[in-house]
Amino acid sequence: GAVVSQHPSRVICKSGTSVKIECRSLDFQATTMFWYRQFPKQSLMLMATSNEGSKATYEQGVEKDKFLINHASLTLSTLTVTSAHPEDSSFYICSARDPTSGGGNEQFFGPGTRLTVL
Amino acid sequence: GESVGLHLPTLSVQEGDNSIINCAYSNSASDYFIWYKQESGKGPQFIIDIRSNMDKRQGQRVTVLLNKTVKHLSLQIAATQPGDSAVYFCAEKGGNNRLAFGKGNQVVVIP
Repeated sequence: GAVVSQHPSRVICKSGTSVKIECRSLDFQATTMFWYRQFPKQSLMLMATSNEGSKATYEQGVEKDKFLINHASLTLSTLTVTSAHPEDSSFYICSARDPTSGGGNEQFFGPGTRLTVL
Repeated sequence: GESVGLHLPTLSVQEGDNSIINCAYSNSASDYFIWYKQESGKGPQFIIDIRSNMDKRQGQRVTVLLNKTVKHLSLQIAATQPGDSAVYFCAEKGGNNRLAFGKGNQVVVIP
């Protein structure tokens, strides 16, 4: 099946710094990628939809200036958590939609990035 | 921010028995549903999907049932194995291919 990678898998940073997380589709082209956040013992919450070549679409309540998304190519989307604070500590997961698979419905998930802000 | 003290609904099942996990979804217009398995510290893994024009779909050791009347989805795992221990989420597809995830159910397989 299709493979999606994320880098880094874990990051620890000081409060106030910015952190960039990469999401790559390794063997398919993804015009659309999605970014989720997951707190312990909770479900995945969609943060934003990343569209190649255009601006990301953010879910209600997600600050676009806080969580910068760039989808510069068909295989790479990045999420930058700007001026991170301890409450931003979470598990960040991306997914990529393969338009040629499952009638375009199927999304493939990355392994997640554990962000800890001290 | 984080919520302290949350506990996922947990299903403890003896190895070899069948498991049934339930999910209620919210949008009666949703036409595509998926079950995911998530192991600790990993991303969700696709298990099985079903479109709204079906009420049952079978995979390898798994069956998904869809009841659109009451907006209910279930996942049945046959002959549960220790490797099935994980958190299971249902998800429904909304507009622009956005997925809305359910709350999740922890399955613990007792050897």
